[in-house]
Amino acid sequence: GESVGLHLPTLSVQEGDNSIINCAYSNSASDYFIWYKQESGKGPQFIIDIRSNMDKRQGQRVTVLLNKTVKHLSLQIAATQPGDSAVYFCAENPDKLIFGTGTRLQVFP
Amino acid sequence: DGGITQSPKYLFRKEGQNVTLSCEQNLNHDAMYWYRQDPGQGLRLIYYSQIVNDFQKGDIAEGYSVSREKKESFPLTVTSAQKNPTAFYLCASSPNGANQPQHFGDGTRLSIL
Repeated sequence: GESVGLHLPTLSVQEGDNSIINCAYSNSASDYFIWYKQESGKGPQFIIDIRSNMDKRQGQRVTVLLNKTVKHLSLQIAATQPGDSAVYFCAENPDKLIFGTGTRLQVFP
Repeated sequence: DGGITQSPKYLFRKEGQNVTLSCEQNLNHDAMYWYRQDPGQGLRLIYYSQIVNDFQKGDIAEGYSVSREKKESFPLTVTSAQKNPTAFYLCASSPNGANQPQHFGDGTRLSIL
């Protein structure tokens, strides 16, 4: 498969546990944020987005939290499954999307 | 099913050769984008187009060219002027307007022979 990201920060979690992936963004003018999941050899897949007028948004098994004071974004995955193993990265949009480098999530049995 | 199709999945380029990467979408999206992904780095924008027959340079446009003759298609040419073309290339599309997520194809891996 593709080497989506070598030397990325890695989060290892046991199957069934909750995962929290963090992202620090850079631009205080950013008003829209997206989380993507990228599996080896594939393109990024949209997970969830949030606008700056919100602090929290929930999807299916995922929750995104936004702290504008410290410019921090997190993605929480409930009951992590082996199929959740991938690289996750956030993107911010002050005027065009700016992508972070990503975090590799490894799920072990 | 609607989506974005990139082809080929793997491509090899000889020295001095231009190669063209295909990107087709049937999502009826106005905007299309090309990114380059290198290991350990975030996606970097090469070119984007918000409407047919118009496109703009991104952050790393040197050595690349694009065209947007049809709404569905946004091919990227990697020219011989691009001295480090080995990378994973991703095409994306989105509806026009603020705060819209981009949807990606599955990429083309370009390597040098």
